[in-house]
Amino acid sequence: DQQVKQNSPSLSVQEGRISILNCDYTNSMFDYFLWYKKYPAEGPTFLISISSIKDKNEDGRFTVFLNKSAKHLSLHIVPSQPGDSAVYFCAANPGSGNTGKLIFGQGTTLQVKP
Amino acid sequence: EPEVTQTPSHQVTQMGQEVILRCVPISNHLYFYWYRQILGQKVEFLVSFYNNEISEKSEIFDDQFSVERPDGSNFTLKIRSTKLEDSAMYFCASSNTGGRSPLHFGNGTRLTVT
Repeated sequence: DQQVKQNSPSLSVQEGRISILNCDYTNSMFDYFLWYKKYPAEGPTFLISISSIKDKNEDGRFTVFLNKSAKHLSLHIVPSQPGDSAVYFCAANPGSGNTGKLIFGQGTTLQVKP
Repeated sequence: EPEVTQTPSHQVTQMGQEVILRCVPISNHLYFYWYRQILGQKVEFLVSFYNNEISEKSEIFDDQFSVERPDGSNFTLKIRSTKLEDSAMYFCASSNTGGRSPLHFGNGTRLTVT
Protein backbone atom coordinates (compact mmCIF):
# COMPACT_ATOMS: atom_id res chain seq x y z
CA ASP A 1 0.00 0.00 0.00
CA GLN A 2 1.87 3.06 -1.28
CA GLN A 3 -0.95 5.59 -1.45
CA VAL A 4 1.06 8.14 0.54
CA LYS A 5 4.80 8.20 -0.01
CA GLN A 6 7.63 10.04 1.61
CA ASN A 7 10.58 9.15 -0.53
CA SER A 8 13.29 10.67 1.64
CA PRO A 9 13.87 8.60 4.78
CA SER A 10 16.07 11.30 6.28
CA LEU A 11 17.04 14.94 5.97
CA SER A 12 19.77 16.91 7.70
CA VAL A 13 19.84 20.72 7.81
CA GLN A 14 21.73 23.42 9.66
CA GLU A 15 20.00 25.40 12.38
CA GLY A 16 18.44 28.57 10.97
CA ARG A 17 18.08 27.19 7.44
CA ILE A 18 14.95 25.96 5.73
CA SER A 19 13.80 22.34 6.03
CA ILE A 20 11.66 21.03 3.19
CA LEU A 21 9.92 17.71 3.63
CA ASN A 22 8.10 16.16 0.70
CA CYS A 23 5.14 13.86 0.28
CA ASP A 24 3.41 12.34 -2.74
CA TYR A 25 0.03 10.68 -2.98
CA THR A 26 -1.60 8.60 -5.64
CA ASN A 27 -5.34 9.05 -5.18
CA SER A 28 -6.95 12.27 -6.45
CA MET A 29 -9.91 11.63 -4.10
CA PHE A 30 -7.77 12.52 -1.09
CA ASP A 31 -9.02 15.89 0.11
CA TYR A 32 -7.44 16.67 3.47
CA PHE A 33 -3.79 16.38 4.40
CA LEU A 34 -1.94 16.64 7.68
CA TRP A 35 1.63 16.70 8.94
CA TYR A 36 2.55 15.09 12.23
CA LYS A 37 5.79 15.20 14.18
CA LYS A 38 6.93 12.29 16.31
CA TYR A 39 9.60 12.14 18.98
CA PRO A 40 10.89 8.77 20.23
CA ALA A 41 8.62 7.11 22.82
CA GLU A 42 5.82 9.59 22.08
CA GLY A 43 2.76 9.53 19.87
CA PRO A 44 2.45 11.62 16.70
CA THR A 45 1.77 15.29 17.39
CA PHE A 46 -0.34 17.31 14.96
CA LEU A 47 1.54 20.14 13.25
CA ILE A 48 -0.48 21.59 10.39
CA SER A 49 -3.14 20.59 7.89
CA ILE A 50 -4.43 21.66 4.50
CA SER A 51 -7.68 21.11 2.67
CA SER A 52 -7.67 20.38 -1.06
CA ILE A 53 -9.46 23.67 -1.72
CA LYS A 54 -6.28 25.52 -0.73
CA ASP A 55 -2.74 25.43 -2.04
CA LYS A 56 -1.00 26.88 1.01
CA ASN A 57 -1.47 27.02 4.75
CA GLU A 58 0.86 28.76 7.16
CA ASP A 59 1.24 28.53 10.93
CA GLY A 60 4.23 30.31 12.39
CA ARG A 61 7.42 28.65 11.18
CA PHE A 62 5.48 25.90 9.40
CA THR A 63 3.99 26.18 5.92
CA VAL A 64 2.36 23.40 3.95
CA PHE A 65 2.06 23.64 0.16
CA LEU A 66 -0.30 21.49 -1.88
CA ASN A 67 0.05 20.88 -5.61
CA LYS A 68 -3.06 18.92 -6.58
CA SER A 69 -2.11 18.44 -10.23
CA ALA A 70 1.18 16.86 -9.18
CA LYS A 71 -0.39 15.08 -6.18
CA HIS A 72 2.40 16.49 -4.08
CA LEU A 73 2.64 18.34 -0.81
CA SER A 74 5.54 19.74 1.11
CA LEU A 75 6.20 21.05 4.59
CA HIS A 76 8.55 24.01 4.98
CA ILE A 77 10.08 24.82 8.36
CA VAL A 78 11.75 28.22 8.54
CA PRO A 79 13.95 28.78 10.43
CA SER A 80 14.78 25.25 11.50
CA GLN A 81 15.65 24.71 15.16
CA PRO A 82 17.39 21.77 16.88
CA GLY A 83 14.13 21.02 18.71
CA ASP A 84 12.54 20.31 15.33
CA SER A 85 14.64 17.14 15.07
CA ALA A 86 12.05 14.35 14.90
CA VAL A 87 10.26 12.02 12.49
CA TYR A 88 7.74 13.84 10.30
CA PHE A 89 4.74 12.00 8.90
CA CYS A 90 2.54 13.11 6.07
CA ALA A 91 -1.03 11.78 6.29
CA ALA A 92 -4.08 11.93 4.04
CA ASN A 93 -7.77 11.60 4.69
CA PRO A 94 -9.01 9.36 1.88
CA GLY A 95 -12.30 11.18 1.62
CA SER A 96 -14.13 8.43 3.47
CA GLY A 97 -16.65 10.73 5.02
CA ASN A 98 -16.31 11.70 8.62
CA THR A 99 -14.58 8.63 10.05
CA GLY A 100 -11.19 10.28 10.55
CA LYS A 101 -9.28 7.44 8.92
CA LEU A 102 -5.82 8.61 7.92
CA ILE A 103 -3.32 7.03 5.56
CA PHE A 104 0.25 7.73 6.65
CA GLY A 105 3.50 7.96 4.76
CA GLN A 106 6.60 6.16 5.95
CA GLY A 107 8.03 9.21 7.67
CA THR A 108 11.13 11.37 7.19
CA THR A 109 13.64 11.75 10.00
CA LEU A 110 14.74 15.37 10.24
CA GLN A 111 17.97 16.26 12.00
CA VAL A 112 18.65 19.93 12.64
CA LYS A 113 22.28 20.54 13.52
CA PRO A 114 23.23 23.41 15.83
CA GLU B 1 -3.28 21.12 27.28
CA PRO B 2 -5.58 18.08 27.44
CA GLU B 3 -4.03 14.88 26.21
CA VAL B 4 -4.84 11.30 25.34
CA THR B 5 -3.44 8.86 27.89
CA GLN B 6 -2.71 5.19 27.29
CA THR B 7 -1.94 2.37 29.69
CA PRO B 8 0.15 0.36 30.03
CA SER B 9 3.14 1.83 28.20
CA HIS B 10 4.51 -1.66 27.59
CA GLN B 11 2.67 -5.00 27.63
CA VAL B 12 4.31 -8.38 27.22
CA THR B 13 2.09 -11.38 26.60
CA GLN B 14 2.34 -14.93 25.38
CA MET B 15 0.92 -16.03 22.05
CA GLY B 16 -2.72 -17.02 22.36
CA GLN B 17 -3.41 -14.83 25.37
CA GLU B 18 -5.96 -12.04 25.48
CA VAL B 19 -4.81 -8.46 25.97
CA ILE B 20 -6.71 -5.26 26.65
CA LEU B 21 -5.11 -1.94 25.82
CA ARG B 22 -6.61 1.05 27.56
CA CYS B 23 -7.01 4.66 26.55
CA VAL B 24 -8.54 7.77 28.05
CA PRO B 25 -9.37 10.14 25.17
CA ILE B 26 -9.63 13.91 25.53
CA SER B 27 -12.79 14.54 27.52
CA ASN B 28 -14.87 16.57 25.04
CA HIS B 29 -13.90 14.50 22.01
CA LEU B 30 -16.50 12.34 20.31
CA TYR B 31 -14.46 10.29 17.81
CA PHE B 32 -12.02 7.63 18.87
CA TYR B 33 -9.45 5.61 16.97
CA TRP B 34 -6.85 2.90 17.22
CA TYR B 35 -3.77 2.84 15.00
CA ARG B 36 -0.72 0.63 15.13
CA GLN B 37 2.87 0.79 13.95
CA ILE B 38 4.84 -2.38 13.48
CA LEU B 39 8.55 -1.73 13.97
CA GLY B 40 10.02 -0.15 10.85
CA GLN B 41 6.67 0.17 9.11
CA LYS B 42 4.01 2.83 8.60
CA VAL B 43 1.42 3.92 11.11
CA GLU B 44 -1.71 1.97 10.08
CA PHE B 45 -5.37 2.67 10.74
CA LEU B 46 -7.23 -0.05 12.64
CA VAL B 47 -10.64 1.29 13.61
CA SER B 48 -12.72 4.40 14.21
CA PHE B 49 -15.53 4.61 16.77
CA TYR B 50 -18.32 7.13 17.14
CA ASN B 51 -21.62 7.19 18.99
CA ASN B 52 -20.88 3.83 20.60
CA GLU B 53 -20.31 1.97 17.40
CA ILE B 54 -17.57 1.24 14.89
CA SER B 55 -17.76 3.70 11.99
CA GLU B 56 -14.94 2.21 9.93
CA LYS B 57 -12.42 -0.59 10.28
CA SER B 58 -9.46 -1.80 8.25
CA GLU B 59 -8.72 -5.27 6.93
CA ILE B 60 -6.33 -5.73 9.86
CA PHE B 61 -9.22 -5.37 12.33
CA ASP B 62 -10.54 -8.92 12.08
CA ASP B 63 -12.66 -10.96 14.51
CA GLN B 64 -9.77 -11.17 16.95
CA PHE B 65 -10.06 -7.45 17.61
CA SER B 66 -12.79 -5.55 19.41
CA VAL B 67 -13.24 -2.09 20.85
CA GLU B 68 -15.38 -0.83 23.65
CA ARG B 69 -16.20 2.35 25.47
CA PRO B 70 -17.22 0.80 28.79
CA ASP B 71 -17.88 4.11 30.54
CA GLY B 72 -17.76 7.83 29.83
CA SER B 73 -14.00 8.09 29.82
CA ASN B 74 -12.25 4.89 28.73
CA PHE B 75 -11.80 3.42 25.28
CA THR B 76 -10.32 -0.07 25.01
CA LEU B 77 -8.87 -2.33 22.34
CA LYS B 78 -9.06 -6.07 23.00
CA ILE B 79 -7.11 -8.71 21.11
CA ARG B 80 -8.65 -12.08 21.95
CA SER B 81 -5.88 -14.47 20.99
CA THR B 82 -2.62 -12.70 20.29
CA LYS B 83 -0.27 -13.73 17.52
CA LEU B 84 3.41 -12.96 17.12
CA GLU B 85 2.57 -10.56 14.28
CA ASP B 86 0.41 -8.48 16.64
CA SER B 87 3.62 -7.17 18.20
CA ALA B 88 3.55 -3.42 17.50
CA MET B 89 3.09 0.00 18.98
CA TYR B 90 -0.63 0.69 19.40
CA PHE B 91 -1.76 4.30 19.38
CA CYS B 92 -5.10 5.56 20.57
CA ALA B 93 -6.37 8.86 19.15
CA SER B 94 -9.37 11.11 19.50
CA SER B 95 -10.87 14.10 17.71
CA ASN B 96 -13.80 16.38 18.32
CA THR B 97 -15.37 16.55 14.87
CA GLY B 98 -14.15 13.52 13.00
CA GLY B 99 -12.72 13.58 9.52
CA ARG B 100 -11.84 17.24 9.15
CA SER B 101 -10.25 17.83 12.52
CA PRO B 102 -6.78 16.73 13.59
CA LEU B 103 -6.43 13.52 15.52
CA HIS B 104 -4.73 13.77 18.89
CA PHE B 105 -2.64 10.73 19.67
CA GLY B 106 -1.57 9.13 22.91
CA ASN B 107 2.01 8.01 23.55
CA GLY B 108 1.18 4.44 22.66
CA THR B 109 1.36 0.97 24.18
CA ARG B 110 4.17 -1.24 23.02
CA LEU B 111 2.76 -4.77 22.75
CA THR B 112 5.25 -7.61 22.63
CA VAL B 113 3.90 -11.09 21.91
CA THR B 114 6.31 -13.92 22.71
